[in-house]
Amino acid sequence: DGGITQSPKYLFRKEGQNVTLSCEQNLNHDAMYWYRQDPGQGLRLIYYSQIVNDFQKGDIAEGYSVSREKKESFPLTVTSAQKNPTAFYLCASSIDRDEKLFFGSGTQLSVL
Amino acid sequence: AQRVTQPEKLLSVFKGAPVELKCNYSYSGSPELFWYVQYSRQRLQLLLRHISRESIKGFTADLNKGETSFHLKKPFAQEEDSAMYYCALRGGSQGNLIFGKGTKLSVKP
Repeated sequence: DGGITQSPKYLFRKEGQNVTLSCEQNLNHDAMYWYRQDPGQGLRLIYYSQIVNDFQKGDIAEGYSVSREKKESFPLTVTSAQKNPTAFYLCASSIDRDEKLFFGSGTQLSVL
Repeated sequence: AQRVTQPEKLLSVFKGAPVELKCNYSYSGSPELFWYVQYSRQRLQLLLRHISRESIKGFTADLNKGETSFHLKKPFAQEEDSAMYYCALRGGSQGNLIFGKGTKLSVKP
């Protein structure tokens, strides 16, 4: 089951700690995305990247940071500034911005 | 404001019954709409998009600009249709997808 891989599946964060969620794709897609999913809230866009070395803030970027140093990788860091980080995080990619999204299996982040 | 509304959190029907999952949108331009589906223990995936005008797994969705709706329909529901369905609008910042809150479809035997 290749395509887009997220790790870890479960992650726990202590108060004041930064944590990084991994997202890797072998689909040769230019565009990558991070969504946050809360119960009953649907998916909300955190950050997206249309090309290597470039990324843009989504609708709820505060308290998060990303990098896109390689085409296949788009890690998301949840910083200590994110006061409500407990959520399910989904990474996605697409050939380009106008094409369909392929999703990873997600990472559940919880606060200890 | 750009918005996608799925008014039903949960929709429960019996096998063989017709099903309609509602989706309404708010968008000032020419909308591009999608339905994504997540089956149990599977990843979220594209079901259909309005520009393709296709039928996937017996589902269809017609864009009604007058009613600003993109309802998903199937004439005879099957148990394997049970899943979480998300309506999405391309129209966010830089043309990204805006998702509705989702509707959980449960098809009972």
